[in-house]
Amino acid sequence: DAGVTQSPTHLIKTRGQQVTLRCSPISGHKSVSWYQQVLGQGPQFIFQYYEKEERGRGNFPDRFSARQFPNYSSELNVNALLLGDSALYLCASSYQAGIPDTQYFGPGTRLTVL
Amino acid sequence: EDKVVQSPLSLVVHEGDTVTLNCSYEVTNFRSLLWYKQEKKAPTFLFMLTSSGIEKKSGRLSSILDKKELFSILNITATQTGDSAVYLCAVVYNFNKFYFGSGTKLNVKP
Repeated sequence: DAGVTQSPTHLIKTRGQQVTLRCSPISGHKSVSWYQQVLGQGPQFIFQYYEKEERGRGNFPDRFSARQFPNYSSELNVNALLLGDSALYLCASSYQAGIPDTQYFGPGTRLTVL
Repeated sequence: EDKVVQSPLSLVVHEGDTVTLNCSYEVTNFRSLLWYKQEKKAPTFLFMLTSSGIEKKSGRLSSILDKKELFSILNITATQTGDSAVYLCAVVYNFNKFYFGSGTKLNVKP
């Protein structure tokens, strides 16, 4: 079975631009979470989606938004990019949300903002 | 303020040594604690702990949670160079929030 997939692998943008990152969960998983990982730090929680609804949100500005589609894949959008948005963006999937459950991570998208 | 603190920040050992990694937390409405290993990109799942005092074990790795003292430890025995990685602790709290520590960087020398 395929694991969590993310696209693109790498992305270079300039300040002020907008970016869309994509994630496909493990087959059968209904929950997708997004994380931002800056070099040398642990992943920071951005969003969790379950059954197309937002179930959790971290401390990120409104420039960050996400959605989940009927096939449980998800997109993360970041508007008005700042230099500080440069990071590895990780997507994780789990079977469900709201109860203790293992999350499996994708390989990430490396975003560089110039 | 909610927080997850891992210690030590980094560790250098030789093959065959035993290491203990620590994760302490202060969060509201704790639900579970997870350990991950991150080598290059995607963190890979190691353990999920929800109950105090019950050791989870997988090969040379084991972990235990103390919900009274609010910490968990990850033990690795007979370390190998392939164990070199960043080990991340994550706490799930307040229904759906996930909080990762900064990680412990382990370097196992031959």
